[in-house]
Order: sequence, then C-alpha cells, then structure tokens
Amino acid sequence: GAVVSQHPSRVICKSGTSVKIECRSLDFQATTMFWYRQFPKQSLMLMATSNEGSKATYEQGVEKDKFLINHASLTLSTLTVTSAHPEDSSFYICSASSWLAGYEQYFGPGTRLTVT
Amino acid sequence: GQQVMQIPQYQHVQEGEDFTTYCNSSTTLSNIQWYKQRPGGHPVFLIQLVKSGEVKKQKRLTFQFGEAKKNSSLHITATQTTDVGTYFCAVNNYGQNFVFGPGTRLSVLP
Repeated sequence: GAVVSQHPSRVICKSGTSVKIECRSLDFQATTMFWYRQFPKQSLMLMATSNEGSKATYEQGVEKDKFLINHASLTLSTLTVTSAHPEDSSFYICSASSWLAGYEQYFGPGTRLTVT
Repeated sequence: GQQVMQIPQYQHVQEGEDFTTYCNSSTTLSNIQWYKQRPGGHPVFLIQLVKSGEVKKQKRLTFQFGEAKKNSSLHITATQTTDVGTYFCAVNNYGQNFVFGPGTRLSVLP
C-alpha cells in the first residue's frame, strides 16, 4: 500500500503555544487528506477533510480557527493546533486518499500531542 | 447523522478459534471498508466492499457485505496471535467521507 508519513511523531508543548503537524503522502498524489483524532482505546473521530487547493471542510463541533488545516499540494497537508490547551492532548492521525486508488485511506503513523 | 455500530466491543479467543465481528449501519451504504489497527499502531486498510451480498477472502479473513447493504461482517478462521488488534469498519453513504465504527478489540490467547 501507499506510504504516508507524519511529523513529528511526538510533541510536548506548553499551554498557549501552537503546534504544526505535517502529513505527507510519499508515493502517490492524494486528492483528499483527512485529519482524525483518536482518544485511548476509542475509535477515530474525523476532524476535517481537505482537498488540494481548497479550504478544508470541518466536522460539526471542530473549531476551524483552532485547528488550521492547509492542503497546499497533492502530497502535503498540515494541521496547526493554535493556542493549545491540555484538553487538546490527543493522538492525531492523518490519512491520504485518492479517487484513482478507490478511496482507500492510507494512514500516517500518528502524532502524540501532549499539552502541559 | 450516520450511525455505525460494531459488535462485539471486545473479544477474547484462544489461538486457533474463529472470530467474527459485525458492523451495522442505520442507513443503506454505498460501500464499506475494513481496517485493522495493531496496539500502538495506525489503521491499515484491509478491504473495500461495494456490491450487495459481496464476499471477499484474504487468506484466513472473509469479508461479507449484506444483501441490503446495511451491514457487514469480518470472519477470521483459526486465529493467530498476529491477529491481535482493533478491527474498524468504515462506512460511506454516497459521500466523500467514511464514518468509522467504534471498533472491535480482539485479543488472542496463545
């Protein structure tokens, strides 16, 4: 399957600071990238969907001004958690998909964010 | 909104026993995908089902899509310790996004 990378894998930041997470599809062009949040032993909660070159579509209850998503190219999407608070601590996972690949989602390894 | 249930939530089996997890939707689906997430890992795509009544096999794994396209099952024959993980279904109702079920966590005792 396709390879998707995420950076960083772990990050610890202080409350009030911002953190940027990168998601890259390494060997295919992703027309769509998804950002999920996963709490321990729970399912994946979709935060937003981003298509290359257009604004992200956020799920209900997800603040777009707090979770800034940029999908600048077919291989890169970024999620910036602005003014992070301890309740933002979570596991953030991106996935990449393409209609050419049958809409299978290829997931990155995830980023563990801890806000102190 | 889209409601997706998976049963059971947890399953403990002895190595060599069979295992089945079920995914049920409140609405008719266009397609359904199955993913496996190992402990500490990320979800990995297993299969996509599109046609009513479709059955697909991958070695010891058998996937089935219900005739009404509202439910699906994943059956593992003769489980092995390598099957340990959480199995998620992800359903699509003719839209762009897939909604993930809560998952079934499988543990296999050697």
